[in-house]
Amino acid sequence: RKEVEQDPGPFNVPEGATVAFNCTYSNSASQSFFWYRQDCRKEPKLLMSVYSSGNEDGRFTAQLNRASQYISLLIRDSKLSDSATYLCVVNRRDDYKLSFGAGTTVTVRA
Amino acid sequence: GAVVSQHPSRVICKSGTSVKIECRSLDFQATTMFWYRQFPKQSLMLMATSNEGSKATYEQGVEKDKFLINHASLTLSTLTVTSAHPEDSSFYICSAGYTYTEAFFGQGTRLTVV
Repeated sequence: RKEVEQDPGPFNVPEGATVAFNCTYSNSASQSFFWYRQDCRKEPKLLMSVYSSGNEDGRFTAQLNRASQYISLLIRDSKLSDSATYLCVVNRRDDYKLSFGAGTTVTVRA
Repeated sequence: GAVVSQHPSRVICKSGTSVKIECRSLDFQATTMFWYRQFPKQSLMLMATSNEGSKATYEQGVEKDKFLINHASLTLSTLTVTSAHPEDSSFYICSAGYTYTEAFFGQGTRLTVV
């Protein structure tokens, strides 16, 4: 079983729509959780960290469910510029290593 | 945020030759850097952990004699792909952890072996 699994999508949504997707992780000892955004042929960039209580950053909302070992990302009022691949990333505190999901592709159309 | 610079961004080489990729932390000292490889439509796969002043630690299945890592200073790690073959063509990317809460990535190197 992969350490981090994501629905690859693609999610094709119109501008202004809401899109949400999850990721599951297998290591219950995982300490930190993130969503990164990766544009085609570019390096990943941190979108937001995910906290136990859930957190929101503008149109983006992230949730963590430790009991079920999944993380979610919700994008409201989608913009064309939100089109990207969203990587679920889990960090083990003890060795700083990051485990990446394969990414969920989102395409926002006009 | 912290800046990690990777060079070159793109390289094409002939089969059998070696290619060196540099990863620099520009505004902080990184005792640990990580090297990843990403094939199209796949996740980033950790290849090795580069440790300043000591040997790199490689993930299972990664050939240490083929992917040579040198971390001679606190701001520079290099990855050398030796005797490259077409199947080594991939996107190679480094990262350095500024804190355990965020990793900063280089811009990546797209290697094409012909």
